[in-house]
Amino acid sequence: KQEVTQIPAALSVPEGENLVLNCSFTDSAIYNLQWFRQDPGKGLTSLLLIQSSQREQTSGRLNASLDKSSGRSTLYIAASQPGDSATYLCAVGDYKLSFGAGTTVTVRA
Amino acid sequence: GAGVSQSPSNKVTEKGKDVELRCDPISGHTALYWYRQRLGQGLEFLIYFQGNSAPDKSGLPSDRFSAERTGESVSTLTIQRTQQEDSAVYLCATGGLAGVTDTQYFGPGTRLTVL
Repeated sequence: KQEVTQIPAALSVPEGENLVLNCSFTDSAIYNLQWFRQDPGKGLTSLLLIQSSQREQTSGRLNASLDKSSGRSTLYIAASQPGDSATYLCAVGDYKLSFGAGTTVTVRA
Repeated sequence: GAGVSQSPSNKVTEKGKDVELRCDPISGHTALYWYRQRLGQGLEFLIYFQGNSAPDKSGLPSDRFSAERTGESVSTLTIQRTQQEDSAVYLCATGGLAGVTDTQYFGPGTRLTVL
């Protein structure tokens, strides 16, 4: 069974700092890895999807890397803003996604 | 365009009652998923529909849980004889392509509280 772990569970940074969020998974035979954002009382918003043949994806201030051999992904958020405050979830799988418990980020103004 | 919608947004029920949760997919999305998120835990996969194919029900936790979807339309998740451990946020997601490598678009969820 795929196990997904996210470290740290919570993170608080001042505005402008870069954020580094880590995700690890136990089974390297994955179809893809997705990063989501979850705001309180709302559903998940997809941020980035990395297919198994790719090593990274970028969108604006967000960059995610994937190292299947070591079972790790890292989400980088550059120049953080208070609006980036949310819980970030990592998920791996094909159609049956296995999710980590998330990293709750607070960006202080 | 409109995103995935779910109803009700909140549901409080008494132990032993049956509940129905509804998901309206993004128009044209062939794949539909149900997940459960218990307090402080990660999302758990429940069931997957892809067009008219037989659904993957491997994530349903017990036979009290069932789900239906006709074609590419609305889906309902039914929980019979609810228990307190069923309390969670139930999230629906849909996908546009084959489902395996496509992004999943999530609805806002239904928060179920079983007293």
